[in-house]
Amino acid sequence: EVQLVESGGDWVQPGKSLRLSCAASGFTFDHYAMHWVRQSPGKGPEWVSGISWNSGNIAYAGSVKGRFTISRDDGKNSLYLQMNSLRVEDTALYYCVKDMDDYVWGSYRSAFESWGQGTLVTVS
Amino acid sequence: DIQLTQSPSSLSASVGDRVTITCRASQSIARYLNWYQQKPGKAPKLLIYAATTLQSGVPSRFSGSGFGTDFTLTISSLQPEDFATYYCQQIYTAPLTFGGGTKAAI
Repeated sequence: EVQLVESGGDWVQPGKSLRLSCAASGFTFDHYAMHWVRQSPGKGPEWVSGISWNSGNIAYAGSVKGRFTISRDDGKNSLYLQMNSLRVEDTALYYCVKDMDDYVWGSYRSAFESWGQGTLVTVS
Repeated sequence: DIQLTQSPSSLSASVGDRVTITCRASQSIARYLNWYQQKPGKAPKLLIYAATTLQSGVPSRFSGSGFGTDFTLTISSLQPEDFATYYCQQIYTAPLTFGGGTKAAI
């Protein structure tokens, strides 16, 4: 069974940094693309960033580009999101998501197949 | 960025009704379109990928259609557990984007 467990969410002041982690299990981690998706209360999901199976294809939403960095450690079956220069509008529940495919976009098998329970980031 | 416009934003229906939700993309995305269901307090759940392919374990009353810019999610006979919010998503190119959602209520 696929398990994705996020951690690292916290309350921080604007301008500060935070690092989210996601521990993955139940599947061959280095075969799949992974993503971070966030959702503010009462709003729809917003894709934040994605990373391909080999870290060769990485993409960001325009709202976080230049401030956030996604990475993965296949030896530890872990996904990370380094968040710098945090803003009030970054406040959200952040989900770690497993893709069905190995690339971030452009495949008919690209889809967000499994989601973690989320970790809450509050910036104020 | 590719914009996805869903309609309606909300709908009122009864158990047994046939329900149709549409998603329009701001440019052609071929079949690079997925559908998700979200219930309160839960993460979204993948229903359909590549516009028409039913995800494993999803009931057959859900179906998807469309190509290019216009897509449809249909629930053939609404069940009590289907009252939720539905989102479309394009995976044609980055940044990946979601539609604004359609809330199905009684």
